[in-house]
Amino acid sequence: DQQVKQNSPSLSVQEGRISILNCDYTNSMFDYFLWYKKYPAEGPTFLISISSIKDKNEDGRFTVFLNKSAKHLSLHIVPSQPGDSAVYFCAATYNFNKFYFGSGTKLNVKP
Amino acid sequence: GAGVSQSPRYKVAKRGQDVALRCDPISGHVSLFWYQQALGQGPEFLTYFQNEAQLDKSGLPSDRFFAERPEGSVSTLKIQRTQQEDSAVYLCASSLETGNNQPQHFGDGTRLSIL
Repeated sequence: DQQVKQNSPSLSVQEGRISILNCDYTNSMFDYFLWYKKYPAEGPTFLISISSIKDKNEDGRFTVFLNKSAKHLSLHIVPSQPGDSAVYFCAATYNFNKFYFGSGTKLNVKP
Repeated sequence: GAGVSQSPRYKVAKRGQDVALRCDPISGHVSLFWYQQALGQGPEFLTYFQNEAQLDKSGLPSDRFFAERPEGSVSTLKIQRTQQEDSAVYLCASSLETGNNQPQHFGDGTRLSIL
């Protein structure tokens, strides 16, 4: 049973517009969430994280929003750039020993 | 560079053979993780080490899978009597310490193909 779900396998956005990537989770014990970016043939690269005590965390063009009651988090990229084209994974943990990943969303930013 | 290094990058083996995958974490990183990533899926947790201690191996799919980190640095993931369903990318990640919101740094993975 997958505890972290990314229901959109792909997303296409025009350069300069906002990209919104979504993630849902089922385990209410999760208290720390992360987003990773992955280019082909490379390992995932950490992008941004959020603790469950917050509902928003911002880092430059990237903002993560957490809605605990809905068990939902989202990653906003504004403005989107062609170099942002990659697969994005959300991940969650409650003990930092074990991390649960979603299946990924492939973002394509069109010039 | 000073990133996580995995070798080999690609491994092809015949069904039934044993394979060993190596991970060199970032120097000084206490925590080390192994993941299995099937095509089109996200990384799936296999096991976790804190220094040389294997604290969680709940993700290992069968007793054919074995991981070790004897000196708290380099780690090896061994798969015995490989099966076709073992074909996947195996990712290693390390982090400076447990908790304290430390992100994991991933290697580029070993792509294992079982014929």
